[in-house]
Amino acid sequence: DTAVSQTPKYLVTQMGNDKSIKCEQNLGHDTMYWYKQDSKKFLKIMFSYNNKELIINETVPNRFSPKSPDKAHLNLHINSLELGDSAVYFCASSRISTGSGYTFGSGTRLTVV
Amino acid sequence: DQQVKQNSPSLSVQEGRISILNCDYTNSMFDYFLWYKKYPAEGPTFLISISSIKDKNEDGRFTVFLNKSAKHLSLHIVPSQPGDSAVYFCASYSGGYQKVTFGTGTKLQVIP
Repeated sequence: DTAVSQTPKYLVTQMGNDKSIKCEQNLGHDTMYWYKQDSKKFLKIMFSYNNKELIINETVPNRFSPKSPDKAHLNLHINSLELGDSAVYFCASSRISTGSGYTFGSGTRLTVV
Repeated sequence: DQQVKQNSPSLSVQEGRISILNCDYTNSMFDYFLWYKKYPAEGPTFLISISSIKDKNEDGRFTVFLNKSAKHLSLHIVPSQPGDSAVYFCASYSGGYQKVTFGTGTKLQVIP
């Protein structure tokens, strides 16, 4: 019974395509996140939603658009994919309280060819 | 601007000995510090945290030490076990929305 599930696990696509990654959490958490881990292994926050409201929006190209239909789901849509978008994308969730950690999904490895 | 730094990309330790993983940070506003463990093809798993008002937190074999004056924290694993072999990320945040900043990770190998 996976707490934070992402689909798909692997995604290979051509430059210029549009793709989506889905994320769902069944922990009852109120906040969800997207992180990107690039080839240098940096884990960088992209977006965060609290109760369906965008609260963190880092410097990310407009081609990336998060959507949160409800507080258990946070999807990531990417338009006009570029080679540099190749990375592992992690979804995470947490409860807004001091000292608690994130629960991460297992990641989506995106390869743009 | 890398606010959380893990200067050792890898570390090898014999089973049963102590593993010490280090982390430095630059942002004095950070309220909480966390350690995550990551196995290949899995997401990071929360391991242990410490608030900025403490200097030590212990959970079983894992202890985190915080030295605020030096802006340094460390994770001690005693005794180290082969199953501890993983990449360990140091992380920290300030404020209520938990915008967590991660270090680049240290790959720990525990040799049987």
